[in-house]
Amino acid sequence: KAGVTQTPRYLIKTRGQQVTLSCSPISGHRSVSWYQQTPGQGLQFLFEYFSETQRNKGNFPGRFSGRQFSNSRSEMNVSTLELGDSALYLCASAQGGQITDTQYFGPGTRLTVL
Amino acid sequence: DQQVKQNSPSLSVQEGRISILNCDYTNSMFDYFLWYKKYPAEGPTFLISISSIKDKNEDGRFTVFLNKSAKHLSLHIVPSQPGDSAVYFCAASGNYGGATNKLIFGTGTLLAVQP
Repeated sequence: KAGVTQTPRYLIKTRGQQVTLSCSPISGHRSVSWYQQTPGQGLQFLFEYFSETQRNKGNFPGRFSGRQFSNSRSEMNVSTLELGDSALYLCASAQGGQITDTQYFGPGTRLTVL
Repeated sequence: DQQVKQNSPSLSVQEGRISILNCDYTNSMFDYFLWYKKYPAEGPTFLISISSIKDKNEDGRFTVFLNKSAKHLSLHIVPSQPGDSAVYFCAASGNYGGATNKLIFGTGTLLAVQP
């Protein structure tokens, strides 16, 4: 099976712009989660989608949003970008709704905000 | 509030010896724990997991131990190989308040295995 794929891999934006990141989960997986990794805060949970519904949300401002499509692919959007949004954004997919369903990560999208 | 802590930012071990990476947690609602390995500019790779109903889980060279009363888990790698050099993250989740699939990560430990 192909792994989790994320596009684009690298992105450079300026403050105030918006950005959309894409994630394709492993075939058959219905849960997609997003995480932000920064040197200062480590790996932090953004939100999780399961069967097109947001099931969990982390402690991030409303500028961060996402959605999931019927084929389980997910997109994450950040509006009004700030310098502090520069980070590695990771997507993880899991088969279903059990906590024992292992989350498999994609390679990430490196976002730089200038 | 750091609910999952890895107090050693780095660890250096000789090839062939045992590597022991430690992790502490504070939330008693956590009942599933995982270890991930991460190389720079890549996503974390799943290594091994353990449910709170167990105290040990083994997979090849990797063994995870869980001490629920102490809220402590550890990852043992035996024997350590140079290719094991990476950052190791422990993560926790639980079936509380709809938190399924919400992983809380520790800050990571950089393991360097010297040839």
